[in-house]
Amino acid sequence: ETGVTQSPTHLIKTRGQQVTLRCSSQSGHNTVSWYQQALGQGPQFIFQYYREEENGRGNFPPRFSGLQFPNYSSELNVNALELDDSALYLCASSSGPGGQPQHFGDGTRLSIL
Amino acid sequence: GENVEQHPSTLSVQEGDSAVIKCTYSDSASNYFPWYKQELGKGPQLIIDIRSNVGEKKDQRIAVTLNKTAKHFSLHITETQPEDSAVYFCAASKDTNAGKSTFGDGTTLTVKP
Repeated sequence: ETGVTQSPTHLIKTRGQQVTLRCSSQSGHNTVSWYQQALGQGPQFIFQYYREEENGRGNFPPRFSGLQFPNYSSELNVNALELDDSALYLCASSSGPGGQPQHFGDGTRLSIL
Repeated sequence: GENVEQHPSTLSVQEGDSAVIKCTYSDSASNYFPWYKQELGKGPQLIIDIRSNVGEKKDQRIAVTLNKTAKHFSLHITETQPEDSAVYFCAASKDTNAGKSTFGDGTTLTVKP
């Protein structure tokens, strides 16, 4: 059984740029949730995709957007990067929106200069 | 929305002692409470979870208790070992969507040999 994989592992960008982070869900999982984890804090829910449709969103601005593909891999896109966007970005997959448990990837560490 | 508070933020114990981490939640509709262990450079890994129709659950050295009336739940680790050292997160969600979890801010557990 293949776990959740994220790429890249690390990324450095400058303010105002755009970034795309990628997530490959665990085999058979059709739901992916994205989280932002600032240093020293717990993960914060950004949004969830279920069968290629957004299925709920946390308190994040529209410049955070996502996509889920037919093979259930997904992307997180962030436009107009700000310094406060520096964080670990985690994706988690599950079998259905109510599926438990979520399986997390190891994240992408994004640094904004 | 849901708010989860976690205490203590740091915990240091001697090997073989017990460790207890406590969380409170605000939304009485939450009914799924997972605990995650996050090691350096890794994503959160589920270690145990409990649903609101159960008051206690145990898995070897790990146990979780839930008090729905008081809206708090706790993680108990017995016979701690150095490899238990990590950051532990509690979370709460409605089981209609475990992917939209609200996390506490974590407890850094250090087990001294």
